Amino acid sequence: KAGVTQTPRYLIKTRGQQVTLSCSPISGHRSVSWYQQTPGQGLQFLFEYFSETQRNKGNFPGRFSGRQFSNSRSEMNVSTLELGDSALYLCASSIGQNSGANVLTFGAGSRLTVL
Amino acid sequence: DAKTTQPNSMESNEEEPVHLPCNHSTISGTDYIHWYRQLPSQGPEYVIHGLTSNVNNRMASLAIAEDRKSSTLILHRATLRDAAVYYCIPLNYGGATNKLIFGTGTLLAVQP
Repeated sequence: KAGVTQTPRYLIKTRGQQVTLSCSPISGHRSVSWYQQTPGQGLQFLFEYFSETQRNKGNFPGRFSGRQFSNSRSEMNVSTLELGDSALYLCASSIGQNSGANVLTFGAGSRLTVL
Repeated sequence: DAKTTQPNSMESNEEEPVHLPCNHSTISGTDYIHWYRQLPSQGPEYVIHGLTSNVNNRMASLAIAEDRKSSTLILHRATLRDAAVYYCIPLNYGGATNKLIFGTGTLLAVQP
């Protein structure tokens, strides 16, 4: 079956612009999480959506936002881009059950470069 | 959130077993222990998880200490494709979220 698909894979923006990244989860998965990966901070949790509702949020400024649609596809948006937002943005999907046994499947990521 | 400690890096030879340790002394009784790995230029990939008993799957084995304060991921025969960063992550049972807290992980190098 198809994996987690993230688009675009690569993009370049300039400071002050905004960007929207898209994530299509595995069919049947209702939870979508977003992570930011940078060389300095490693992998950090941004937020999780389940059934169109934000279920948890990481420690990021309000410039980072997301949403989930009724088909479980998700988008994240970063407004007023800063140089420090350059990173690999990863999306992960899961069935979403409230269980520590839940397994996440990650996409290949969207690499954002801010100039 | 439980804190984990892993060696920064380890090295192995191809076709030899690899034991990747993780200390999670602050783990709660309802935290599952998950392992993910990230190959170069890819997103993280699920490897294995367990709660109390040792676990095996086609990728690896997970040995969990009796007091659950540490665990060891075992790759029985390392291949070049196993070169990756390995992350040990506690995930709470019954938690209303699937938030994974990644530490710095262990960078595994596999020599031919």
